[in-house]
Amino acid sequence: GDSVTQMEGPVTLSEEAFLTINCTYTATGYPSLFWYVQYPGEGLQLLLKATKADDKGSNKGFEATYRKETTSFHLEKGSVQVSDSAVYFCALSDIFNKFYFGSGTKLNVKP
Amino acid sequence: DTAVSQTPKYLVTQMGNDKSIKCEQNLGHDTMYWYKQDSKKFLKIMFSYNNKELIINETVPNRFSPKSPDKAHLNLHINSLELGDSAVYFCASSEPLTTEAFFGQGTRLTVV
Repeated sequence: GDSVTQMEGPVTLSEEAFLTINCTYTATGYPSLFWYVQYPGEGLQLLLKATKADDKGSNKGFEATYRKETTSFHLEKGSVQVSDSAVYFCALSDIFNKFYFGSGTKLNVKP
Repeated sequence: DTAVSQTPKYLVTQMGNDKSIKCEQNLGHDTMYWYKQDSKKFLKIMFSYNNKELIINETVPNRFSPKSPDKAHLNLHINSLELGDSAVYFCASSEPLTTEAFFGQGTRLTVV
């Protein structure tokens, strides 16, 4: 079945460091891919998405490119801030609109 | 205006009790979901409804029963609560095919 695998955390970075959170997926067909962010005590918010191969999703300085050949959707940001500290979830949705989430990666950014 | 709202935000109850969590979305979406997030933050789908009809029912104990009175509401009833039911439950909604899911703020259920 479909699934999403993302790197385990926590990831601890200093402010202004470069961030990469790896995400790979297994799917039949052509899923849509997403990154969601969950701040402490809150629900999940969509960070960015890509709906077809080679699409790049971007928002708030974060980027991820839909790579069909490597079945990946890695999240990157050039310079993280303390306010980026949160849990990040990679997800896919299949043709039945069923969402599969990775296990989440906690990011801690220190001043 | 809150797009997906669920109540209550916190729920503390004793083992064996029956409780309900309510969810409403004002986005006009046809599809609604319930997800369970465990203590390790892992999210697992429980149910999905499309226009009031059940379309996904994962391996969830029969004690959990969703009810959708209309396509804007999807409530979750839990009977005979157990300690292992303690988790954060998220409601979500989406439109079909490729669009994102919108999540509520979550209900933290604690069974004591």
